[in-house]
Amino acid sequence: GAGVSQTPSNKVTEKGKYVELRCDPISGHTALYWYRQSLGQGPEFLIYFQGTGAADDSGLPNDRFFAVRPEGSVSTLKIQRTERGDSAVYLCASSASPQETQYFGPGTRLLVL
Amino acid sequence: GDSVTQMEGPVTLSEEACLTINCTYTATGYPSLFWYVQYPGEGLQLLLKATKADDKGSNKGFEATYRKETTSFHLEKGSVQVSDSAVYFCALSEGRSGGYQKVTFGTGTKLQVIP
Repeated sequence: GAGVSQTPSNKVTEKGKYVELRCDPISGHTALYWYRQSLGQGPEFLIYFQGTGAADDSGLPNDRFFAVRPEGSVSTLKIQRTERGDSAVYLCASSASPQETQYFGPGTRLLVL
Repeated sequence: GDSVTQMEGPVTLSEEACLTINCTYTATGYPSLFWYVQYPGEGLQLLLKATKADDKGSNKGFEATYRKETTSFHLEKGSVQVSDSAVYFCALSEGRSGGYQKVTFGTGTKLQVIP
């Protein structure tokens, strides 16, 4: 079956602009996660959704970052007033239930100029 | 807090050589342990996992044993192939209130296998 998909695959923006990154989880997966992977590092947790609600957003670096999952499926990560330090690969993962293995999407590579 | 430490790369091996990538962890409870692999141009894929002490995870000729006494989960393969060239991430997850698994990753080890 189809895996986790993310769009766009690459995004280039200018400092100060607003961006949205989209994640389509595996069909039927109730748990959804966002991670950020900086160059040469492992992924770092940002936020976890169970259904429509953000159950843990402790990894969001500041209030410029926000994520939604209004219908419990697709999720959007929103970054306001982007900064060069936001440049990274943003990964989405989903799992059938919160206790089960997470499956990752290919990521969105964000470059802030 | 939880953390994962893995050996720095890059690791360069000749085809058919033996591979070991060291990984140690720090956790407050009893985590599950994972190895993920990232092939060039592709997303993270789960390679293998172990959920309790002394469990051995295995897949595609790779193995790792959950060693609680040494807090380690070293990745091994007896004979590597060029197609194994990738970045390997050791990771752990612990249950959080609400029952979900928060995954903590190491920094990754790049493996290059030359013919």
